[in-house]
Amino acid sequence: ETGVTQTPRHLVMGMTNKKSLKCEQHLGHNAMYWYKQSAKKPLELMFVYNFKEQTENNSVPSRFSPECPNSSHLFLHLHTLQPEDSALYLCASSPKGESSGANVLTFGAGSRLTVL
Amino acid sequence: GQNIDQPTEMTATEGAIVQINCTYQTSGFNGLFWYQQHAGEAPTFLSYNVLDGLEEKGRFSSFLSRSKGYSYLLLKELQMKDSASYLCAVQDSNYQLIWGAGTKLIIKP
Repeated sequence: ETGVTQTPRHLVMGMTNKKSLKCEQHLGHNAMYWYKQSAKKPLELMFVYNFKEQTENNSVPSRFSPECPNSSHLFLHLHTLQPEDSALYLCASSPKGESSGANVLTFGAGSRLTVL
Repeated sequence: GQNIDQPTEMTATEGAIVQINCTYQTSGFNGLFWYQQHAGEAPTFLSYNVLDGLEEKGRFSSFLSRSKGYSYLLLKELQMKDSASYLCAVQDSNYQLIWGAGTKLIIKP
């Protein structure tokens, strides 16, 4: 248990479905992140929130929609996904955003998404 | 472009020593991280190097040479539980993390 909890751990959805991934952190951190992890590829940063404000959107398709209602919760809303979106989606948090010093991330265990 | 290179997979024997290398080419440098990720689990922070030299933390050590754009993670007295993927990441000049694809380490008895 890292202090960052992701649900669901596994999700199978069709291309026309709408689903959401949830992330919750109990660490008192002010920054939260969504990453995509595909086999044998580097982690891809998708979104960053600092103090609930989105500070980065790395050219992510609009079929992925993030929501950060407070600094402890982060959602990733999914709709009309493609099979190539199948991957492990990792949530992370850190005490502060990408500003100075060692920005150590604490990750959740991920949500394994399969798009049929 | 920015790039992090590390071997895709390595195999080592229980009780032995293994060195996992990471080379990087980034826009600026504000520190290098190593994370460990067991299959199906969250990546967890292992080490952070911002100055040249060796940082030792128990059985694990991490080395950095900024002039060579090079780091390694050294694991001693390998245990079966060390079987995992090891991720190298660099903070660039904007403090954004650039990640390598990870090295899968297989420990054999």
